[in-house]
Amino acid sequence: GESVGLHLPTLSVQEGDNSIINCAYSNSASDYFIWYKQESGKGPQFIIDIRSNMDKRQGQRVTVLLNKTVKHLSLQIAATQPGDSAVYFCADLGGGADGLTFGKGTHLIIQP
Amino acid sequence: GAVVSQHPSWVICKSGTSVKIECRSLDFQATTMFWYRQFPKQSLMLMATSNEGSKATYEQGVEKDKFLINHASLTLSTLTVTSAHPEDSSFYICSAAAPSDEQYFGPGTRLTVT
Repeated sequence: GESVGLHLPTLSVQEGDNSIINCAYSNSASDYFIWYKQESGKGPQFIIDIRSNMDKRQGQRVTVLLNKTVKHLSLQIAATQPGDSAVYFCADLGGGADGLTFGKGTHLIIQP
Repeated sequence: GAVVSQHPSWVICKSGTSVKIECRSLDFQATTMFWYRQFPKQSLMLMATSNEGSKATYEQGVEKDKFLINHASLTLSTLTVTSAHPEDSSFYICSAAAPSDEQYFGPGTRLTVT
């Protein structure tokens, strides 16, 4: 992911709607990408991952799309539920690095 | 999924003292563990890579003499914050790497230095 800033972007959606969270990464050598969910005061929780030889991967209610041309990653959450409220981070790995590079994060808020 | 624990979950210490944080992989062996730091409303930043049986690799700008890392076994890495100062107050999170590249994160340790 790109370098962090002090202000966390916020996405507010109605319960039941679909959510799309976007992320840009900068390392063109990255070959493994992960989306994490982090609830307040807790560690990141794995949601879904994708390798660079794919452009789409689906899980339960979640889909990750990878566009390597523009170095863009998105997470789609279908039928958003109150329990989906959290901060979502993308992370990438590659280029010889072992540790993950995290994106800025997006705070997803579910409106009843 | 695999479980990673951290201890303590939170700690308050006085300025100038040292604090040790433990990271354990409970049901798998991890030759590599990672330490991240997260300030409020910010993302996680990698501090160092902890390798079992060898010296840790620190990211640029992270003082290795201040943040001591010991990875003495395949299931335990420790981070010691030496001579802690209020600006070291943060959320410290470890992760353990599985052979599949996936990293399993611990629940984090909230450090407050007064």
